[in-house]
Amino acid sequence: DGGITQSPKYLFRKEGQNVTLSCEQNLNHDAMYWYRQDPGQGLRLIYYSQIVNDFQKGDIAEGYSVSREKKESFPLTVTSAQKNPTAFYLCASSIPRTVNTGELFFGEGSRLTVL
Amino acid sequence: AQTVTQSQPEMSVQEAETVTLSCTYDTSESDYYLFWYKQPPSRQMILVIRQEAYKQQNATENRFSVNFQKAAKSFSLKISDSQLGDAAMYFCAYRGPYGNKLVFGAGTILRVKS
Repeated sequence: DGGITQSPKYLFRKEGQNVTLSCEQNLNHDAMYWYRQDPGQGLRLIYYSQIVNDFQKGDIAEGYSVSREKKESFPLTVTSAQKNPTAFYLCASSIPRTVNTGELFFGEGSRLTVL
Repeated sequence: AQTVTQSQPEMSVQEAETVTLSCTYDTSESDYYLFWYKQPPSRQMILVIRQEAYKQQNATENRFSVNFQKAAKSFSLKISDSQLGDAAMYFCAYRGPYGNKLVFGAGTILRVKS
């Protein structure tokens, strides 16, 4: 079955450590996204990538980094510069808007807790 | 920048009854898309319904329908014959005419009572 796989589902990190969240999709989608979800704030866009080897900052990119070396993969690194990294992280993908409305397909998320 | 506002943090509905979730948005564009996503306790986001702004007819998907008021920039979701499985967080989202990014509201928790 096609879909988006995020790993790990739960992750604990000590302060000052970098951590990388994995996102893999086999939907053959061009665009991929990382959102952060906090209680009462909905989803906020961290980074997005329209094509391989290209990505743009979203609304809250500070303290995060990404890479897009393969179409299927869009890992997110939460660096020690991120002041409040404890959150639920959602990865999503979409096909170009020229093909359809560009709705997002989501993974099951990763819960990061900083101890 | 576009913003999406969901003014109801929580709503409750009796099983088999109808409930309406509110959403307003701010944009200067005339061509855009609106979405309602459902996030059940499993945290998996699921698309419920979409609306193209250029279409005057309100979208419908089985028990789910929208009331799209373009001039008022309002996009409410009506759930008819509510079921226990409808209990979830519901997010309203906006997508503009350029690019693929979605802007989300803060969400509304829907509780369904048996």
